Amino acid sequence: DGGITQSPKYLFRKEGQNVTLSCEQNLNHDAMYWYRQDPGQGLRLIYYSQIVNDFQKGDIAEGYSVSREKKESFPLTVTSAQKNPTAFYLCASSVTGQNQPQHFGDGTRLSIL
Amino acid sequence: QQQVKQSPQSLIVQKGGISIINCAYENTAFDYFPWYQQFPGKGPALLIAIRPDVSEKKEGRFTISFNKSAKQFSLHIMDSQPGDSATYFCAASMMSNYKLTFGKGTLLTVNP
Repeated sequence: DGGITQSPKYLFRKEGQNVTLSCEQNLNHDAMYWYRQDPGQGLRLIYYSQIVNDFQKGDIAEGYSVSREKKESFPLTVTSAQKNPTAFYLCASSVTGQNQPQHFGDGTRLSIL
Repeated sequence: QQQVKQSPQSLIVQKGGISIINCAYENTAFDYFPWYQQFPGKGPALLIAIRPDVSEKKEGRFTISFNKSAKQFSLHIMDSQPGDSATYFCAASMMSNYKLTFGKGTLLTVNP
């Protein structure tokens, strides 16, 4: 089945550690996105990429980094500079072009030990 | 600045009733308005979407109403079922980029 796979489902981080969240898609989509979801806050865009080897900051990029070396993969690193990393992280992908729907993975829940 | 305001935060409806969720936006450059449904522990899934050249769009029990002059749009769920219990998000985007701006969500509970 085509879709978006996020791993792991649950992740724990110690203070001062960087952690990397995986996002893989087999939908052949050019565009990929990372969102952060906090209770009662909706989804906020962290980074997005419209093509391989190119990405742009979203609304809350501070403390995060990404790479886009392959079309199907868009990993997100939560660095130690992110002071409040506990959240539900969602990856999405879409066809590029006007008003194309975004398809979401089932998320990774990150907690701080 | 919150560009898409969604209300109510939570909603309880009896089975068979009508659920109504409202959203208002500020940026007149927005030209695409999707609604997403999210179940606990899952990612959001696209439910229905509308463009501003249409005032209403219906898909099964789900209808979007759009009022361009008031900069408002709403989701109506007819004959609400317990299986509709989920969090619903409205969103908006514009032609110039692919970024979606989301509302804060509405937790819908449909009692049997």
